[in-house]
Amino acid sequence: NAGVTQTPKFRVLKTGQSMTLLCAQDMNHEYMYWYRQDPGMGLRLIHYSVGEGTTAKGEVPDGYNVSRLKKQNFLLGLESAAPSQTSVYFCASSYFDRKPYEQYFGPGTRLTVT
Amino acid sequence: DQQVKQNSPSLSVQEGRISILNCDYTNSMFDYFLWYKKYPAEGPTFLISISSIKDKNEDGRFTVFLNKSAKHLSLHIVPSQPGDSAVYFCAAGAGNNRKLIWGLGTSLAVNP
Repeated sequence: NAGVTQTPKFRVLKTGQSMTLLCAQDMNHEYMYWYRQDPGMGLRLIHYSVGEGTTAKGEVPDGYNVSRLKKQNFLLGLESAAPSQTSVYFCASSYFDRKPYEQYFGPGTRLTVT
Repeated sequence: DQQVKQNSPSLSVQEGRISILNCDYTNSMFDYFLWYKKYPAEGPTFLISISSIKDKNEDGRFTVFLNKSAKHLSLHIVPSQPGDSAVYFCAAGAGNNRKLIWGLGTSLAVNP
């Protein structure tokens, strides 16, 4: 099992460019999450999904969109990147009922917006 | 307003001794608490958890203690090993929404 994988690992964008971060999990988890981690801010939830075709906003959703067309994939989109979106992005997934709070994380995507 | 607080940004411990990492919370609705460990350039990995109906949970060298009246939990690592050097995050959840609230982390250094 690969667990949770994220693509790409690194990316540099110019202000105003767009990109999509891909998260894939092979554990058949119902829940998936996107976080960002910034120095001194801990992990903050951007968006999450409780199942295929459903998404919901987290703490810091502005400037991001998500889609979950397949159960195993969760995409995070930046339509018009801003320097404030420079961060490390983590995807995570979890079961709905078995140990529901235990989230499994991907290795992260380091994004720099210049 | 931080609902989960880890007041010590860093901790240094000698190999073989006990490491104690602390976490305080403000929301009495939290009913599940977790500790995650994170190495540089990797995602957090789950370490140990505790439900609010318990006051202690043990897994090998790791023990988590929960004091609900004080809204405080702690992670004990005994004995500490150099490989335990990492950032430790405390997280809490409430009800069925499956969202976790995270502390800012404590960087643990275990010195040989």
